[in-house]
Amino acid sequence: QVVLTQSPSASASLGASVKLTCTLSSGHSSYAIAWHQQQPEKGPRYLMKLNSDGSHSKGDGIPDRFSGSSSGAERYLTISSLQSEDEADYYCQTWGAGIVVFGGGTKLTVL
Amino acid sequence: QLQLQESGPGLVKPSETLSLTCTVSGGSISSRSYYWGWIRQPPGKGLEWIGSIHHSGSTHYNPSLESRVTISVDASKNQFSLKLSSVTAADTAVYYCARQAYPYYYDSSGPHYFDYWGQGTLVTVSS
Repeated sequence: QVVLTQSPSASASLGASVKLTCTLSSGHSSYAIAWHQQQPEKGPRYLMKLNSDGSHSKGDGIPDRFSGSSSGAERYLTISSLQSEDEADYYCQTWGAGIVVFGGGTKLTVL
Repeated sequence: QLQLQESGPGLVKPSETLSLTCTVSGGSISSRSYYWGWIRQPPGKGLEWIGSIHHSGSTHYNPSLESRVTISVDASKNQFSLKLSSVTAADTAVYYCARQAYPYYYDSSGPHYFDYWGQGTLVTVSS
């Protein structure tokens, strides 16, 4: 079964950019994923679907500051021009043969 | 704008059955292109998929919970429901319902990503 690995934490300064990583387990490098944002005390929000070729489709109202890219088994979420409201937990999610899997999440701190 | 709202008891006793309902507004639960899923998040922890259902009745469950989970759909009310039996304190969590894309035209094996989420409801298991 596919496993998604995320670093537990990341930090970056206000106005800077940050790149979060989600790594697919061996043998699953062709899988697409989705990125979700969870701000403190709120439910998750869908950001984008990200394919293995780096193409992505964003959810309604997601700013252009959020973008995705891929390299091998790595899936990236880049947030540019960081704002205070970007401080949140970010989860990647994938699927296959009727099974859905989440990564452990990355807590992003905006300094 | 699609909206999902969870409802149900906030407190359940150990060994009993947890029951929640998700009401969908702003869209039809009978669309062929979507599944409808349940996800939970224990306090301070990450997200765990519980299971998903299509309006046709097709279901997919997390293997680790499958023996205790039943998800059903009521298209006439635009609702779907979760039942989790024999609960323990480990089932204490915020429970979310969500819509899940299902591009059946190129992958009919099961649902894909969640694209709309409810706000969640906290269920505590305690006597």
